[in-house]
Amino acid sequence: ETGVTQTPRHLVMGMTNKKSLKCEQHLGHNAMYWYKQSAKKPLELMFVYNFKEQTENNSVPSRFSPECPNSSHLFLHLHTLQPEDSALYLCASSQESSGSDIQYFGAGTRLSVL
Amino acid sequence: GQNIDQPTEMTATEGAIVQINCTYQTSGFNGLFWYQQHAGEAPTFLSYNVLDGLEEKGRFSSFLSRSKGYSYLLLKELQMKDSASYLCAVRDGDYKLSFGAGTTVTVRA
Repeated sequence: ETGVTQTPRHLVMGMTNKKSLKCEQHLGHNAMYWYKQSAKKPLELMFVYNFKEQTENNSVPSRFSPECPNSSHLFLHLHTLQPEDSALYLCASSQESSGSDIQYFGAGTRLSVL
Repeated sequence: GQNIDQPTEMTATEGAIVQINCTYQTSGFNGLFWYQQHAGEAPTFLSYNVLDGLEEKGRFSSFLSRSKGYSYLLLKELQMKDSASYLCAVRDGDYKLSFGAGTTVTVRA
């Protein structure tokens, strides 16, 4: 148990569906992150939130829309996805988004786009 | 972007030692992390190096040479439960964390 919980663990959706991924951290951290992990590829940083403010958008297509209502919760809203978006989506949190802060990860949502 | 290289796969025998190398080229440097990720689970933090030298934590040790852009993770007295993917990650001068593709270690009896 890392203190970061992601739901759902698995998601299958069609290209016209709208769905949301949820992340919750119980560590009292102020920074939260979304990463994409594809097979045999490095983790790709998608978004960073620090004190609820988005501080990084790593050229992510607009079909991915993040939302951070407070420092403990992070959402990733998905719409009109493509099959190449199928991957493991990982959420992480850290004390802040700089310095030597360790990032703690959730177990991820395995997304399949049909 | 940043360039972080590590071997794709390694296999070792239970009780043996395995060394996973990681080389990096980044714009600035603010620390190197190693994570362990079992299949279907969250990556979990193993070690952090920001100064040159060896950091030891039980059966796991991590080494850093900033001048060479090089690190290794040493796993001693391998156990079956050590079979996992090991991720090298480097924080650059802008404090952005970039990951290697991971090294899958298989421990055989």
